[in-house]
Amino acid sequence: AQSVSQHNHHVILSEAASLELGCNYSYGGTVNLFWYVQYPGQHLQLLLKYFSGDPLVKGIKGFEAEFIKSKFSFNLRKPSVQWSDTAEYFCAASGSARQLTFGSGTQLTVLP
Amino acid sequence: EPEVTQTPSHQVTQMGQEVILRCVPISNHLYFYWYRQILGQKVEFLVSFYNNEISEKSEIFDDQFSVERPDGSNFTLKIRSTKLEDSAMYFCASSDIQSRPSNQPQHFGDGTRLSIL
Repeated sequence: AQSVSQHNHHVILSEAASLELGCNYSYGGTVNLFWYVQYPGQHLQLLLKYFSGDPLVKGIKGFEAEFIKSKFSFNLRKPSVQWSDTAEYFCAASGSARQLTFGSGTQLTVLP
Repeated sequence: EPEVTQTPSHQVTQMGQEVILRCVPISNHLYFYWYRQILGQKVEFLVSFYNNEISEKSEIFDDQFSVERPDGSNFTLKIRSTKLEDSAMYFCASSDIQSRPSNQPQHFGDGTRLSIL
């Protein structure tokens, strides 16, 4: 069965700290990977996506993620977080079908 | 930036009543989706819709649920006889058409919070 796991439920960091949020997936065949962010009171917004090619993908707002096939991982990173990065972060995957399978989300709180 | 819009933002309904959740996808998008998130749980796929018919649906999307594109702009989710366990946030999404549709990211609305009493 297809699944996406996010092991960090709540991460608290101080401003300027580095961030890494874990995401592991279990999918047969081709997989497309996404990170979405949901700021308080707003809709899910796409941060970045991986389909093929360079396993290191760069997204908006200084975020990047690395696809490591051998580890079935697609971790999200940012070298220096800001207070405005406080949000919930969702990893998601799709295969040959269009439907997204989401992880449970990670709430990031950045302290000023 | 074009957005997916959903109405209402919050719907309160008595158990057993019918409810219709409305979505206006991005205008040039052709794939439409509904997801839901029960409080404290994952976002779950319900159904996808293309070319006026359902493309995929999950086990959750049983006979109680239906979707429709009644005109050129709206995309609706109907729950025929609501149950307490239908209480959740319902998200609509849309994506553009491409040769590999699964590559195209989905754009989400703000969601409708459905509360069943």
